[in-house]
Amino acid sequence: DAGITQSPRHKVTETGTPVTLRCHQTENHRYMYWYRQDPGHGLRLIHYSYGVKDTDKGEVSDGYSVSRSKTEDFLLTLESATSSQTSVYFCAISVRQDPNTGELFFGEGSRLTVL
Amino acid sequence: KQEVTQIPAALSVPEGENLVLNCSFTDSAIYNLQWFRQDPGKGLTSLLLIQSSQREQTSGRLNASLDKSSGRSTLYIAASQPGDSATYLCPKGNDMRFGAGTRLTVKP
Repeated sequence: DAGITQSPRHKVTETGTPVTLRCHQTENHRYMYWYRQDPGHGLRLIHYSYGVKDTDKGEVSDGYSVSRSKTEDFLLTLESATSSQTSVYFCAISVRQDPNTGELFFGEGSRLTVL
Repeated sequence: KQEVTQIPAALSVPEGENLVLNCSFTDSAIYNLQWFRQDPGKGLTSLLLIQSSQREQTSGRLNASLDKSSGRSTLYIAASQPGDSATYLCPKGNDMRFGAGTRLTVKP
């Protein structure tokens, strides 16, 4: 499973509060990704990282920020959560240095509910 | 922007049928390609990875092929079983974008 851990696995919060989701890997792979998955939309890329302090936006990055201060951790932050951010969030890593030839592995997901 | 199209969007078949799922990309610059399945309420499970030097990959009843010239990949499932019911996905590109997937239902 490439040693991916997401935390928390479940969270309920209120509108306007900040939320941080953590993705931790044990194998020092370079590329990491955050997705959200909603009924009718499938998996959509939020942000991804290609190394420490190197990140880029995906399809649905508005309202989200990320940080990668260590190779093993990729944090996703909702600065002020909104109900539209209620979703299941998945972290993934690409096993190899080059994502074009990498194999993608996913964490188990974090279910976030914003009331 | 890489677009991923999966056809059909949904498929319902009786048990035992052989079936084909398709994935196509707007950008035909494909290196490797990976197929996943996702069960309802669960995470994604990797099924097959076709490396850049390969044209196909097989695992049990599953066979995936990749045609780089046309920007298409096909997942063939032989002798389908109810346990194959899931959504099947194929990401592509440096940023690993996904299509909507194919939702497969195999009826007993």
